[in-house]
Amino acid sequence: EVQLLESGGGLVQPGGSLRLSCAASGFTFSTYAMSWVRQVPGKGLDWVSIISGSSGNTYYADSVKGRFTISRDNSKNTLYLQMSSLRAEDTAVYYCAKGRETGTTNIGYWGQGTLVTVSS
Amino acid sequence: DIQMTQSPSSLSASVGDRVTITCRASQGISNYLAWYQQRPGRVPKLLIYAASTLQSGVSTRFSGSGSGTDFTLTISSLQPEDVATYYCQKYNSAPHTFGPGTKVDIK
Repeated sequence: EVQLLESGGGLVQPGGSLRLSCAASGFTFSTYAMSWVRQVPGKGLDWVSIISGSSGNTYYADSVKGRFTISRDNSKNTLYLQMSSLRAEDTAVYYCAKGRETGTTNIGYWGQGTLVTVSS
Repeated sequence: DIQMTQSPSSLSASVGDRVTITCRASQGISNYLAWYQQRPGRVPKLLIYAASTLQSGVSTRFSGSGSGTDFTLTISSLQPEDVATYYCQKYNSAPHTFGPGTKVDIK
C-alpha cells in the first residue's frame, strides 16, 4: 500500500525557514517523480515543485523560485521541501504527491498534507 | 506560462443529471491533462489522465475528452457522492498549473 507521510509543518515568522519531509513507502521511491502542491484552506490547488526520479531534475513555480528547494534522498525514501524567506502568502497545507507511474509527471497519489502557517 | 481556466466555477444539479465541466488551456498542451476530485475535507483524487483515460478504480460515470486547448469532464449521472470540487491540471511541461476548480453540489 502506498503511503506518503508529510511532516515538518508549523508556525514560522515571516522571513523564516522551514523544512518539510515526506516519508514514502509501498512503492519503489527512486523510480517516481515526486511533487509538492499546496492549498490555502478553502481555496484551490497550487502547484509548487517537482523532482524527477533518478536524475533529480527540478522545477518550480515562479512564486517560490529562488526561495524553495525540492530534494530527495532515495536511500531514505524521503522527499524534502526546504522553504526560506517565507511570506504570509506561503501559508497553506502542503501536500506531497507521487507520480501516477514511473516515467510520468502526472500526479497519481497524494499525502494527507502538513499545515504551514507564516505569521508573526 | 500557460494559464488554465475552468467553467463554470460552480454548479448545482439534480441526482441523475448529466454534468459537464470545461477546462481551457491558453496554449496547446496536446493531451497532457488530468482531472482531480476533491471531496470536502479530503485530499484530491485522480480521476482522469491523458485527457480521456479513466484511472483504475474510478467510476465509469466519469469521462474526459479533448485535446490541444479545450477539455471536458463529464459525469454521466450525478450521484450524492460526487459532491466535490473538480480541478484540471496540465502536465506537459513545468509549471504544472491547476485550473481554479469547479464546485459541484446537489440541487
